[in-house]
Amino acid sequence: NAGVTQTPKFQVLKTGQSMTLQCAQDMNHEYMSWYRQDPGMGLRLIHYSVGAGITDQGEVPNGYNVSRSTTEDFPLRLLSAAPSQTSVYFCASSYSGSGLVRYGYTFGSGTRLTVV
Amino acid sequence: AQKITQTQPGMFVQEKEAVTLDCTYDTSDQSYGLFWYKQPSSGEMIFLIYQGSYDEQNATEGRYSLNFQKARKSANLVISASQLGDSAMYFCAMREGLGVLTGGGNKLTFGTGTQLKVEL
Repeated sequence: NAGVTQTPKFQVLKTGQSMTLQCAQDMNHEYMSWYRQDPGMGLRLIHYSVGAGITDQGEVPNGYNVSRSTTEDFPLRLLSAAPSQTSVYFCASSYSGSGLVRYGYTFGSGTRLTVV
Repeated sequence: AQKITQTQPGMFVQEKEAVTLDCTYDTSDQSYGLFWYKQPSSGEMIFLIYQGSYDEQNATEGRYSLNFQKARKSANLVISASQLGDSAMYFCAMREGLGVLTGGGNKLTFGTGTQLKVEL
């Protein structure tokens, strides 16, 4: 089925460890984004990309890196995990162009990350 | 200033009744889009409905309708005939900069959500 695939679904890290959250979409969407969800704060944008080779920071980028070498993939790297990065992470993708915006963002199923 | 404000952290509604979830937004753009997403306890984000700033009619999708009042900058979600399966967190979101000159916009900004509980 077409959609956004995130891996892993669950992860426990020790403080200081690094890891990469994977995100892949097969809908040829130009826009891809990473969000984190914390209780009472909704979803906050970490990083986003408007196409292969183009990325930019969102609202809460500190401690995270991204790259986009292909249209399909948009991995999120945690450089040195901290307890404050304990959260649920969502990858999302979307068509570009104002005429297609109405189809919304498609979200992955999320990654629940715990940093101890 | 908050771009998306949802003032109801929690709502209760009886089965088969209608319920309105409030959302106000703040933008200086003329071309923008408003979305509602549902997040059940299983955690996935489900797209419900979209309203464009230039759409003349209020959006409807089955039991969902969006009460769009542009001058008041509000985009309330109305769920008719509530069902037990409607119990979930609901998020309002906005995508700005949808005009041709701004490249179609790319950032979706969310409110803090409203937890809806449907009771028998």
